[in-house]
Amino acid sequence: NAGVTQTPKFQVLKTGQSMTLQCAQDMNHEYMSWYRQDPGMGLRLIHYSVGAGITDQGEVPNGYNVSRSTTEDFPLRLLSAAPSQTSVYFCASSGVDGGRWETQYFGPGTRLLVL
Amino acid sequence: AQTVTQSQPEMSVQEAETVTLSCTYDTSENNYYLFWYKQPPSRQMILVIRQEAYKQQNATENRFSVNFQKAAKSFSLKISDSQLGDTAMYFCAFMKWSGNKLVFGAGTILRVKS
Repeated sequence: NAGVTQTPKFQVLKTGQSMTLQCAQDMNHEYMSWYRQDPGMGLRLIHYSVGAGITDQGEVPNGYNVSRSTTEDFPLRLLSAAPSQTSVYFCASSGVDGGRWETQYFGPGTRLLVL
Repeated sequence: AQTVTQSQPEMSVQEAETVTLSCTYDTSENNYYLFWYKQPPSRQMILVIRQEAYKQQNATENRFSVNFQKAAKSFSLKISDSQLGDTAMYFCAFMKWSGNKLVFGAGTILRVKS
Protein backbone atom coordinates (compact mmCIF):
# COMPACT_ATOMS: atom_id res chain seq x y z
CA ASN A 1 0.00 0.00 0.00
CA ALA A 2 1.80 3.12 -1.25
CA GLY A 3 -0.84 5.50 0.15
CA VAL A 4 -0.89 8.89 -1.57
CA THR A 5 1.89 9.50 -4.08
CA GLN A 6 2.83 12.74 -5.85
CA THR A 7 5.12 13.49 -8.75
CA PRO A 8 7.34 15.34 -9.31
CA LYS A 9 8.96 16.16 -5.96
CA PHE A 10 10.37 19.43 -7.25
CA GLN A 11 9.83 21.46 -10.41
CA VAL A 12 11.09 24.76 -11.78
CA LEU A 13 8.92 26.54 -14.34
CA LYS A 14 9.19 29.74 -16.27
CA THR A 15 6.32 32.21 -16.20
CA GLY A 16 3.70 31.21 -18.77
CA GLN A 17 4.66 27.55 -18.94
CA SER A 18 2.12 24.84 -18.24
CA MET A 19 2.49 21.67 -16.26
CA THR A 20 0.55 18.95 -14.49
CA LEU A 21 1.16 17.83 -10.92
CA GLN A 22 0.28 14.18 -10.52
CA CYS A 23 -1.45 12.61 -7.55
CA ALA A 24 -2.47 8.99 -7.10
CA GLN A 25 -3.83 6.91 -4.23
CA ASP A 26 -4.28 3.17 -3.89
CA MET A 27 -6.69 3.12 -0.95
CA ASN A 28 -9.88 3.32 -3.05
CA HIS A 29 -10.71 6.66 -1.43
CA GLU A 30 -13.61 8.62 -2.87
CA TYR A 31 -12.37 12.01 -1.71
CA MET A 32 -9.25 13.68 -3.09
CA SER A 33 -8.05 17.23 -2.78
CA TRP A 34 -5.24 19.65 -3.53
CA TYR A 35 -3.81 22.16 -1.05
CA ARG A 36 -1.08 24.72 -1.36
CA GLN A 37 1.20 25.69 1.50
CA ASP A 38 2.70 29.15 1.70
CA PRO A 39 4.83 30.58 4.52
CA GLY A 40 2.77 31.94 7.40
CA MET A 41 -0.54 30.84 5.89
CA GLY A 42 -0.92 27.16 6.58
CA LEU A 43 -2.50 24.98 3.90
CA ARG A 44 -5.29 26.29 1.69
CA LEU A 45 -7.67 24.19 -0.37
CA ILE A 46 -7.42 24.61 -4.15
CA HIS A 47 -9.80 22.00 -5.62
CA TYR A 48 -11.39 18.81 -4.43
CA SER A 49 -13.29 15.81 -5.73
CA VAL A 50 -15.82 13.54 -4.02
CA GLY A 51 -15.64 10.87 -6.71
CA ALA A 52 -14.76 10.13 -10.31
CA GLY A 53 -16.25 12.74 -12.60
CA ILE A 54 -17.03 15.18 -9.77
CA THR A 55 -14.85 18.17 -8.91
CA ASP A 56 -15.39 21.47 -7.13
CA GLN A 57 -13.49 24.60 -6.18
CA GLY A 58 -11.89 25.27 -2.86
CA GLU A 59 -10.64 28.50 -1.32
CA VAL A 60 -7.97 29.43 -3.92
CA PRO A 61 -8.91 27.84 -7.29
CA ASN A 62 -7.81 30.58 -9.72
CA GLY A 63 -5.08 29.51 -12.12
CA TYR A 64 -5.62 25.79 -11.56
CA ASN A 65 -7.67 23.10 -13.29
CA VAL A 66 -8.49 19.59 -12.17
CA SER A 67 -10.28 16.53 -13.49
CA ARG A 68 -11.08 13.14 -11.98
CA SER A 69 -11.47 10.43 -14.60
CA THR A 70 -10.59 7.56 -12.24
CA THR A 71 -10.90 6.94 -8.50
CA GLU A 72 -7.12 6.63 -8.19
CA ASP A 73 -5.86 9.78 -9.93
CA PHE A 74 -6.43 13.49 -9.39
CA PRO A 75 -4.04 15.65 -11.44
CA LEU A 76 -3.66 19.39 -10.91
CA ARG A 77 -2.97 21.49 -14.00
CA LEU A 78 -1.37 24.90 -14.19
CA LEU A 79 -2.22 26.30 -17.61
CA SER A 80 0.01 29.39 -17.48
CA ALA A 81 2.28 29.45 -14.46
CA ALA A 82 2.78 32.69 -12.53
CA PRO A 83 5.34 33.54 -9.82
CA SER A 84 2.45 33.74 -7.33
CA GLN A 85 2.01 29.99 -7.80
CA THR A 86 5.40 29.28 -6.27
CA SER A 87 4.44 27.08 -3.37
CA VAL A 88 4.43 23.58 -1.96
CA TYR A 89 1.49 21.53 -3.19
CA PHE A 90 -0.08 18.68 -1.25
CA CYS A 91 -2.56 16.10 -2.41
CA ALA A 92 -4.77 14.37 0.16
CA SER A 93 -7.38 11.63 0.14
CA SER A 94 -9.93 10.11 2.47
CA GLY A 95 -12.60 7.45 2.47
CA VAL A 96 -16.10 7.52 3.88
CA ASP A 97 -17.37 5.68 6.93
CA GLY A 98 -20.99 5.61 7.93
CA GLY A 99 -21.81 8.54 5.66
CA ARG A 100 -19.06 10.76 7.04
CA TRP A 101 -15.65 11.54 5.63
CA GLU A 102 -12.71 9.96 7.39
CA THR A 103 -9.37 11.51 8.29
CA GLN A 104 -7.43 12.83 5.31
CA TYR A 105 -4.04 11.37 4.44
CA PHE A 106 -1.49 13.50 2.65
CA GLY A 107 1.07 12.85 -0.06
CA PRO A 108 4.71 13.91 0.32
CA GLY A 109 4.24 17.23 -1.49
CA THR A 110 5.55 18.87 -4.66
CA ARG A 111 7.69 21.97 -4.41
CA LEU A 112 7.09 24.31 -7.33
CA LEU A 113 9.21 27.31 -8.21
CA VAL A 114 7.98 29.69 -10.92
CA LEU A 115 10.57 32.13 -12.22
CA ALA B 1 -16.78 30.64 7.30
CA GLN B 2 -14.58 28.83 9.74
CA THR B 3 -11.24 30.23 10.86
CA VAL B 4 -8.42 28.64 12.84
CA THR B 5 -5.87 30.70 14.76
CA GLN B 6 -2.54 29.56 16.12
CA SER B 7 -1.11 32.48 18.06
CA GLN B 8 2.36 31.04 18.71
CA PRO B 9 4.53 31.21 15.56
CA GLU B 10 7.47 29.51 17.29
CA MET B 11 8.10 27.63 20.52
CA SER B 12 10.95 25.72 22.04
CA VAL B 13 11.17 23.10 24.78
CA GLN B 14 13.89 21.08 26.46
CA GLU B 15 14.05 17.39 25.78
CA ALA B 16 11.92 15.35 28.23
CA GLU B 17 9.83 18.36 29.25
CA THR B 18 6.20 19.16 28.45
CA VAL B 19 4.96 21.78 26.02
CA THR B 20 1.50 23.02 25.06
CA LEU B 21 0.59 24.44 21.67
CA SER B 22 -2.46 26.69 21.43
CA CYS B 23 -5.25 26.74 18.89
CA THR B 24 -8.53 28.63 18.78
CA TYR B 25 -11.20 28.44 16.12
CA ASP B 26 -14.38 30.15 15.10
CA THR B 27 -17.45 28.31 13.87
CA SER B 28 -21.22 28.31 14.18
CA GLU B 29 -21.35 24.53 13.73
CA ASN B 30 -22.27 22.35 16.69
CA ASN B 31 -20.64 19.16 15.47
CA TYR B 32 -17.24 19.06 13.84
CA TYR B 33 -13.77 17.53 13.90
CA LEU B 34 -10.53 19.06 15.08
CA PHE B 35 -7.08 17.79 14.17
CA TRP B 36 -3.44 18.34 14.92
CA TYR B 37 -1.03 17.55 12.08
CA LYS B 38 2.75 17.42 12.38
CA GLN B 39 5.05 18.46 9.54
CA PRO B 40 8.70 17.54 10.13
CA PRO B 41 11.52 18.87 7.92
CA SER B 42 10.70 16.12 5.42
CA ARG B 43 7.49 18.10 4.70
CA GLN B 44 5.28 15.04 5.12
CA MET B 45 1.96 15.89 6.82
CA ILE B 46 1.37 13.40 9.64
CA LEU B 47 -1.84 13.13 11.63
CA VAL B 48 -1.08 13.45 15.35
CA ILE B 49 -4.50 13.43 16.95
CA ARG B 50 -8.18 13.88 16.17
CA GLN B 51 -11.10 15.06 18.30
CA GLU B 52 -14.82 14.81 17.58
CA ALA B 53 -16.66 17.82 19.02
CA TYR B 54 -19.50 15.77 20.47
CA LYS B 55 -17.08 13.83 22.67
CA GLN B 56 -16.45 15.43 26.06
CA GLN B 57 -13.43 13.24 26.70
CA ASN B 58 -10.16 14.68 25.47
CA ALA B 59 -8.34 12.58 22.87
CA THR B 60 -4.95 11.09 23.72
CA GLU B 61 -2.34 9.29 21.62
CA ASN B 62 0.64 8.12 23.66
CA ARG B 63 2.60 11.29 24.61
CA PHE B 64 0.14 13.56 22.80
CA SER B 65 -3.08 14.80 24.35
CA VAL B 66 -5.49 17.64 23.76
CA ASN B 67 -7.41 20.04 25.95
CA PHE B 68 -10.68 20.60 24.10
CA GLN B 69 -12.80 23.45 25.45
CA LYS B 70 -15.86 23.60 23.20
CA ALA B 71 -17.48 26.65 24.77
CA ALA B 72 -14.23 28.60 24.54
CA LYS B 73 -13.53 27.19 21.05
CA SER B 74 -10.07 26.19 22.16
CA PHE B 75 -8.11 23.09 21.17
CA SER B 76 -4.59 22.92 22.61
CA LEU B 77 -2.05 20.14 22.09
CA LYS B 78 0.10 18.91 24.97
CA ILE B 79 3.27 16.99 24.21
CA SER B 80 4.73 15.16 27.20
CA ASP B 81 8.30 13.88 27.53
CA SER B 82 9.34 15.86 24.44
CA GLN B 83 11.75 14.13 22.10
CA LEU B 84 14.12 15.51 19.48
CA GLY B 85 11.97 13.85 16.82
CA ASP B 86 9.05 16.07 17.86
CA THR B 87 10.81 19.03 16.24
CA ALA B 88 8.39 20.06 13.48
CA MET B 89 5.73 22.50 12.35
CA TYR B 90 2.38 21.71 13.98
CA PHE B 91 -0.90 22.61 12.32
CA CYS B 92 -4.30 22.79 13.94
CA ALA B 93 -7.19 22.08 11.54
CA PHE B 94 -11.00 22.14 11.53
CA MET B 95 -13.48 20.12 9.50
CA LYS B 96 -17.27 20.21 9.51
CA TRP B 97 -19.03 17.08 10.73
CA SER B 98 -20.64 16.40 7.35
CA GLY B 99 -17.90 18.02 5.33
CA ASN B 100 -14.58 17.13 3.83
CA LYS B 101 -12.68 20.42 3.62
CA LEU B 102 -9.91 21.04 6.12
CA VAL B 103 -9.34 24.60 7.35
CA PHE B 104 -5.83 25.05 8.71
CA GLY B 105 -4.19 27.45 11.09
CA ALA B 106 -0.91 29.13 10.14
CA GLY B 107 1.15 26.64 12.15
CA THR B 108 3.53 26.66 15.12
CA ILE B 109 7.19 25.73 14.74
CA LEU B 110 8.29 23.60 17.69
CA ARG B 111 11.97 23.10 18.40
CA VAL B 112 13.02 20.47 20.94
CA LYS B 113 16.46 21.19 22.41
CA SER B 114 18.88 18.66 23.87
